Amino acid sequence: DAKTTQPNSMESNEEEPVHLPCNHSTISGTDYIHWYRQLPSQGPEYVIHGLTSNVNNRMASLAIAEDRKSSTLILHRATLRDAAVYYCILRVTNRDDKIIFGKGTRLHILP
Amino acid sequence: EPEVTQTPSHQVTQMGQEVILRCVPISNHLYFYWYRQILGQKVEFLVSFYNNEISEKSEIFDDQFSVERPDGSNFTLKIRSTKLEDSAMYFCASMGGGNYGYTFGSGTRLTVV
Repeated sequence: DAKTTQPNSMESNEEEPVHLPCNHSTISGTDYIHWYRQLPSQGPEYVIHGLTSNVNNRMASLAIAEDRKSSTLILHRATLRDAAVYYCILRVTNRDDKIIFGKGTRLHILP
Repeated sequence: EPEVTQTPSHQVTQMGQEVILRCVPISNHLYFYWYRQILGQKVEFLVSFYNNEISEKSEIFDDQFSVERPDGSNFTLKIRSTKLEDSAMYFCASMGGGNYGYTFGSGTRLTVV
């Protein structure tokens, strides 16, 4: 499985933007970049995914480097509810390709 | 918004007993998964299921584990003879197909005593 590298933890102040980095230097051309998060005592939750272009949805934005070796998940205005573990995952486009979770980044939001 | 439903939310069982964890995936989804998370550790893949058969399973998913989709709506994980080390949160997930995201359930906390 292609690997990703994320910081173990990050802190941010409430109502400020958060940029969560992910390195994936061995990414292949068929790998999509997926982000999930896991709130305390809950199951993982899909956040966003992309291939080459930047992506926006109601939860977050995904900025992908031109060489695709890194990406950044952007929460535009963090709330206390965004405190979670965020996982950056590479997934090929096969219909049944499983998701493999790493350790992710634990995001702490300071009130 | 459609949800994946898991029951029970918490199950306590004696070592050596059989347990069945139940999941109702999103109705038009085609791909189904079980994951587990031991307290304080990573979320681990157990098994994927498509077209009424196992697509892939991990080393964790040994002969003590089995999955079934008995009636077209439920998706179950059975552990035949539970061990203490099976204590974990078990998450069910489903996916519609293509390159969409998974939808996970809230999990079943299994405690083996």
